[in-house]
Amino acid sequence: DSGVTQTPKHLITATGQRVTLRCSPRSGDLSVYWYQQSLDQGLQFLIQYYNGEERAKGNILERFSAQQFPDLHSELNLSSLELGDSALYFCASSGEGRGYTFGSGTRLTVV
Amino acid sequence: KNQVEQSPQSLIILEGKNCTLQCNYTVSPFSNLRWYKQDTGRGPVSLTIMTFSENTKSNGRYTATLDADTKQSSLHITASQLSDSASYICVVSVRNAGNMLTFGGGTRLMVKP
Repeated sequence: DSGVTQTPKHLITATGQRVTLRCSPRSGDLSVYWYQQSLDQGLQFLIQYYNGEERAKGNILERFSAQQFPDLHSELNLSSLELGDSALYFCASSGEGRGYTFGSGTRLTVV
Repeated sequence: KNQVEQSPQSLIILEGKNCTLQCNYTVSPFSNLRWYKQDTGRGPVSLTIMTFSENTKSNGRYTATLDADTKQSSLHITASQLSDSASYICVVSVRNAGNMLTFGGGTRLMVKP
């Protein structure tokens, strides 16, 4: 157990729908990162939050958004879903002087 | 542009054999380099992390090397086991960029009995 918790583990939804993925970082970590990994592809950085504020943005589509709450958990919102959004979505967290650790991911299937 | 390239893309070896995976990067300014193991459908798990001043680090049967001058790293796996079958990802961190990571595409290793 890495200490980073992602829910749900699996999600199946239809095109055009909206879903929310949740991530609880390892206790004490202030930074949360979201990554997308499509089938047989490398991890693509989406967005980073630090203590509630957006810190860095990667290749995140406008249809996607995220936020980090005061209790430091984070949510990734994916809207107007397309078939190509089917992927594994990973959350990772890090803290001062602490390593970077990944959650087990949420597998999203858009049908 | 910050990039991390890994080779080979895939590798098949027999159980008990050794193998070496390569990573070349153009990330600058360099902070550290990590190797992760990712089992299919699971999150990446850290194997090693090396800073600029370290040129080798071991974790059990895994040994990583780093040549910061040539911007190359390798991951050597000795006495491979079936459970080593996974993707191995080289990740480079950019200094002064909020712990931003640049991921390589990974090497998919299959260990056969």
